[in-house]
Amino acid sequence: KAGVTQTPRYLIKTRGQQVTLSCSPISGHRSVSWYQQTPGQGLQFLFEYFSETQRNKGNFPGRFSGRQFSNSRSEMNVSTLELGDSALYLCASSPRVAGTSTDTQYFGPGTRLTVL
Amino acid sequence: AQSVTQLGSHVSVSEGALVLLRCNYSSSVPPYLFWYVQYPNQGLQLLLKYTSAATLVKGINGFEAEFKKSETSFHLTKPSAHMSDAAEYFCAVSIHQTGANNLFFGTGTRLTVIP
Repeated sequence: KAGVTQTPRYLIKTRGQQVTLSCSPISGHRSVSWYQQTPGQGLQFLFEYFSETQRNKGNFPGRFSGRQFSNSRSEMNVSTLELGDSALYLCASSPRVAGTSTDTQYFGPGTRLTVL
Repeated sequence: AQSVTQLGSHVSVSEGALVLLRCNYSSSVPPYLFWYVQYPNQGLQLLLKYTSAATLVKGINGFEAEFKKSETSFHLTKPSAHMSDAAEYFCAVSIHQTGANNLFFGTGTRLTVIP
């Protein structure tokens, strides 16, 4: 099976702009989660989408949003970019099959966002 | 609340020596625990996971970890380090019982392997 794919891999934006990142989960996986990785804050959970609904959200401002499509692909959007938004954004997919005792998350390669 | 503490942000070992990366967790309910590895400019790769079955968990690339409830620990070990093990390692906990599916990560341990 193909792994989690993320596009683009690298992105450079300027302050005030907005950006959209895309994630395609492993085939058959229904849950997509997003994480932000920075040297200062480490890995932090942004949100999870399952069946096109946001199921869980981390402690990030409303400038960070996302959505999931019927094919489980997900996008995240950051509006009014700030310098501090520069980070590696990681997407992870998991089966989220009801009744299973394990729900491992498998990560994509990430999108490196640089805000100038 | 749940959290993970990784002792030692940098660990150096000689090639062929034992690798020991420490992870302690805090959780009010039985946790699922994971170790991930990250190579430069890449995403996270799952090494192994504990999901309340066997307490000694074997993963890929010769790594294993033991869940010790009494010590709230989940340390990662490998008997003999290889140069290709040089990377950053993250311990993570998830609390599946709440219905949430998010991981709480430690701050990571950068492993250097000395030839």
